[in-house]
Amino acid sequence: DTEVTQTPKHLVMGMTNKKSLKCEQHMGHRAMYWYKQKAKKPPELMFVYSYEKLSINESVPSRFSPECPNSSLLNLHLHALQPEDSALYLCASSQGALATHTDTQYFGPGTRLTVL
Amino acid sequence: GENVEQHPSTLSVQEGDSAVIKCTYSDSASNYFPWYKQELGKRPQLIIDIRSNVGEKKDQRIAVTLNKTAKHFSLHITETQPEDSAVYFCAASKEAAGNKLTFGGGTRVLVKP
Repeated sequence: DTEVTQTPKHLVMGMTNKKSLKCEQHMGHRAMYWYKQKAKKPPELMFVYSYEKLSINESVPSRFSPECPNSSLLNLHLHALQPEDSALYLCASSQGALATHTDTQYFGPGTRLTVL
Repeated sequence: GENVEQHPSTLSVQEGDSAVIKCTYSDSASNYFPWYKQELGKRPQLIIDIRSNVGEKKDQRIAVTLNKTAKHFSLHITETQPEDSAVYFCAASKEAAGNKLTFGGGTRVLVKP
C-alpha cells in the first residue's frame, strides 16, 4: 500500500460538536503530519509526529487535539471549532524521524471540513 | 523564520509553450527545495526536488534550477500539456527545522489547448 488515506472525505459540524479526523498509512513511515489548507492557499503545517511522539506544534489552538495511537495511524480530534476553521485538512507522512528534512512528504486526499 | 515568495500567482500558457515559476527564500540555511503539484480537488504531489549541492535537475519535461547566492529557485515545464494545468507550490526546508516545509503562495497554471 503506497498511499495515505483519510476519513471522512467530507465533514459538516456545528460549533458545539466533537468529531475526529483519521489518517492511515502502511508505508512504514515514522513521521506523520497534519496540515490545514484554505482555498487558494498553500498547506499550513499544524502538527508533526515523529516515532509516535509530537515533535512540532505550530501554536495551534487547543480546540485541535492530535493523537498518534501507533505508527500507522494519526487522528485529529476537533472540539468547539469556529466557522473560520472550515478548510481542507491534509494528512501527510514521510519516511524518517526528526532532522530528515529531505524526505518526501506523501499527502492524503484530505478531509473537507465545514463548521456551521 | 523562513519566508518563501512565489511568482507569478497565475500563469496562462498555450499548449506546447514553456512555463516558468520562480521562488525566492529568505533563510540561507535552507538546503532542500521540493515542488508540489495540486490538481483541482486532489492531494499535493511531489513532482521534483533539488538539494543545495546541485544547481539543476531534470526529469523529462520538468526541470528545477537553484541559485544559492541569489536565494532563488525556479520550475521549468517545457512542451506544456493540458494535464499540466494545476496549482504548483514551491517549498523550502532546512535541517534545523526538522520536517517542516515552508511553502510559497502557489501558482495557478492554465494550459490552453
